[in-house]
Amino acid sequence: DTEVTQTPKHLVMGMTNKKSLKCEQHMGHRAMYWYKQKAKKPPELMFVYSYEKLSINESVPSRFSPECPNSSLLNLHLHALQPEDSALYLCASEQGEEAFFGQGTRLTVV
Amino acid sequence: KQEVTQIPAALSVPEGENLVLNCSFTDSAIYNLQWFRQDPGKGLTSLLLIQSSQREQTSGRLNASLDKSSGRSTLYIAASQPGDSATYLCAVKPFQKLVFGTGTRLLVSP
Repeated sequence: DTEVTQTPKHLVMGMTNKKSLKCEQHMGHRAMYWYKQKAKKPPELMFVYSYEKLSINESVPSRFSPECPNSSLLNLHLHALQPEDSALYLCASEQGEEAFFGQGTRLTVV
Repeated sequence: KQEVTQIPAALSVPEGENLVLNCSFTDSAIYNLQWFRQDPGKGLTSLLLIQSSQREQTSGRLNASLDKSSGRSTLYIAASQPGDSATYLCAVKPFQKLVFGTGTRLLVSP
């Protein structure tokens, strides 16, 4: 099983809302990632968790708050987002070398 | 800073053709290179992983090569099919994260 599951698939939120994106994998991978992808652009790294600890934050604004409650679960908490934050948010996990991605959450900020 | 470029940006071919997609990167200090496929609005599907010590990998009709010294990788698709239509992304891994190329949008017509 090489599945990374992301929920929800679609999310529309207002600029004053608080919402969370969820990512789950049961492959025993110890590294998990959040990427952001704008239309017709490649994914850009946001955060890396290694062994449930935040190891890389690519200077992401504080309105994005990651959390790794356990080795299988990765959350991205969203608060006071801007319309320009609308994008496809991708989660990935990795063990060793090969990265596996979820299907993404399409986020629209209105 | 690692930069990854893919040529061509878009490609349209009739069914049955053999294709070559190109990926070039500026820094040869990488752990591996991974090729992905992305359907519109969807997540990334891993196609092939080439370790830094390897020269090529094959999976079905796909063959990927890696020349670290020249900073190049190619993805060869044999006997293309309409179902191969998607965006193809290469990504290199310098350290703990993937750096993605600009992508090649492929359209295979029946």
